[in-house]
Amino acid sequence: AQSVSQHNHHVILSEAASLELGCNYSYGGTVNLFWYVQYPGQHLQLLLKYFSGDPLVKGIKGFEAEFIKSKFSFNLRKPSVQWSDTAEYFCAVNAFGPGGYQKVTFGTGTKLQVIP
Amino acid sequence: DGGITQSPKYLFRKEGQNVTLSCEQNLNHDAMYWYRQDPGQGLRLIYYSQIVNDFQKGDIAEGYSVSREKKESFPLTVTSAQKNPTAFYLCASKDSLYEKLFFGSGTQLSVL
Repeated sequence: AQSVSQHNHHVILSEAASLELGCNYSYGGTVNLFWYVQYPGQHLQLLLKYFSGDPLVKGIKGFEAEFIKSKFSFNLRKPSVQWSDTAEYFCAVNAFGPGGYQKVTFGTGTKLQVIP
Repeated sequence: DGGITQSPKYLFRKEGQNVTLSCEQNLNHDAMYWYRQDPGQGLRLIYYSQIVNDFQKGDIAEGYSVSREKKESFPLTVTSAQKNPTAFYLCASKDSLYEKLFFGSGTQLSVL
């Protein structure tokens, strides 16, 4: 069975600090990888995704993530955070199983608090 | 307006009662998902459906049931067998081209 681990549950940073949030998954087959963000009082929205090709993917608002296949990791990064990045971040894996079923599993989330 | 509509926004369940959460989408997506969100536990998959009249158990299906009789609708029933139903429930549909999930605004279920 697939699973997703996010190691940081709560991160506090000052504005302009660099961010890296860890995400590891376990699944032996084909996966697509995602990061979603949930701003306070809002729906979850897609930040970025990886399907194939260049393992470094760029998303909205200056975020990027790197897929390292050998480590089953998909860490999220941002060089300089802003107060408006305060939100909860979720890593997700879309695993392709038998019969064409696509199971989308989320990690436990990381709450990011940016201090002005 | 295109999107996912979940109702009701708040729901209260009495002991021994089954309750049904509604999820409707007009995005013409084939795949739909139900998640349960608890503080500190992220989103846990309850059931998912790739196509009409077909659905699969997720990681925490016990005490829940679903149906998918129409493409637009994927209702979730929380049965009396679910001993800890208090949670925030999110429904989502998936764009088959971009694989992106679109979420509803959620239903908060509480036990009286």
